[in-house]
Amino acid sequence: DSGVTQTPKHLITATGQRVTLRCSPRSGDLSVYWYQQSLDQGLQFLIQYYNGEERAKGNILERFSAQQFPDLHSELNLSSLELGDSALYFCASSVGWTGEYGYTFGSGTRLTVV
Amino acid sequence: DAKTTQPNSMESNEEEPVHLPCNHSTISGTDYIHWYRQLPSQGPEYVIHGLTSNVNNRMASLAIAEDRKSSTLILHRATLRDAAVYYCILRVPPNYGGSQGNLIFGKGTKLSVKP
Repeated sequence: DSGVTQTPKHLITATGQRVTLRCSPRSGDLSVYWYQQSLDQGLQFLIQYYNGEERAKGNILERFSAQQFPDLHSELNLSSLELGDSALYFCASSVGWTGEYGYTFGSGTRLTVV
Repeated sequence: DAKTTQPNSMESNEEEPVHLPCNHSTISGTDYIHWYRQLPSQGPEYVIHGLTSNVNNRMASLAIAEDRKSSTLILHRATLRDAAVYYCILRVPPNYGGSQGNLIFGKGTKLSVKP
């Protein structure tokens, strides 16, 4: 157990639908990062939040959005889902906003769009 | 982002040392070298990181070339549990409000360990 909790572990939904993935960071960590891992693209950085504020953006689609709440948990919202959005979605956390001491990853949410 | 080059795959025997190479010829003076690994069906796991000097921790050692254009992750005694994809990542120092500093993963090296 890494200390980063992601729910749900598996999600199957239809094209056009909207889903919410949830992440609780390791205790004491203020930064949360979201990554997408698909077979053909590898691990892609999506977005980072630090203490409730958006800190950095990567290859996140406009159909996707995220937020970090006052209790520091984060949610990734995926809407108008397409078959190509099927992937593993990982959340990671770190102590500060620089992540210089390393990231701790959760075990991921496997999203299947049918 | 600065790029790294790793072999696609490597094989090792159990209980033998493993040297995983990484080339990063375009590294700049402030880029940290990070290593993560990803076991099957799990999230990436932090292994080690360093800037200029060699580093050791309970999991592995990191040997950094004097010119910093390459590095080697050393697993001193491979176990079956070390079979994973190993990622070598150059981490640019972050700039607050900007997009630098996040870990950008490449394809990594798939390590197989034979009993």
